[in-house]
Amino acid sequence: AQKVTQAQTEISVVEKEDVTLDCVYETRDTTYYLFWYKQPPSGELVFLIRRNSFDEQNEISGRYSWNFQKSTSSFNFTITASQVVDSAVYFCALSEAPGDDKIIFGKGTRLHILP
Amino acid sequence: GAVVSQHPSRVICKSGTSVKIECRSLDFQATTMFWYRQFPKKSLMLMATSNEGSKATYEQGVEKDKFLINHASLTLSTLTVTSAHPEDSSFYICSAVLTSGNQPQHFGDGTRLSIL
Repeated sequence: AQKVTQAQTEISVVEKEDVTLDCVYETRDTTYYLFWYKQPPSGELVFLIRRNSFDEQNEISGRYSWNFQKSTSSFNFTITASQVVDSAVYFCALSEAPGDDKIIFGKGTRLHILP
Repeated sequence: GAVVSQHPSRVICKSGTSVKIECRSLDFQATTMFWYRQFPKKSLMLMATSNEGSKATYEQGVEKDKFLINHASLTLSTLTVTSAHPEDSSFYICSAVLTSGNQPQHFGDGTRLSIL
């Protein structure tokens, strides 16, 4: 069975600090896709990244970076120099397909960036 | 980029009312749409997969007679919460995926349903 675990329920950091959100997943599939979504207080889901199981390269996008390690089944997300606008709930998710299959979401990590 | 529109964004109604929520893909055709439910401060749980022109596939534990899904065209899926009760109050969010290609799901902005 597929499962996504985000052990950190809630994190608070002071603005400009770096913060890492942890994600551990379980799947028996050899091909799978991992995602991160941001859900601000307004409720919409904002797509951040999708990574397939064959691509273990780390990725950086501005202040965001992702560390995918198959050996530990982890797909961690780091925000560098955090800003108040980064405050949101962040979901890590897993799917068997790039898009046309159900997505299994973790329980989310609520991130508070304090001014 | 691809846009998914969900309407209404917020509904408040009395117990016993049926409520319809629309999910539209605005600039692409979506053979498949998904309906998720999110309780306050909880994760998103898939309710059903909606395929254009066929019956929806419901996840275990989701009452298909309670949550009616219709996917009549490649750009529109509707979720009707029939005879809604306070326990149906939740945040409902849909997603759609492009008919062909390798695209990720695009999510609507969600509908906050409150049953009094």
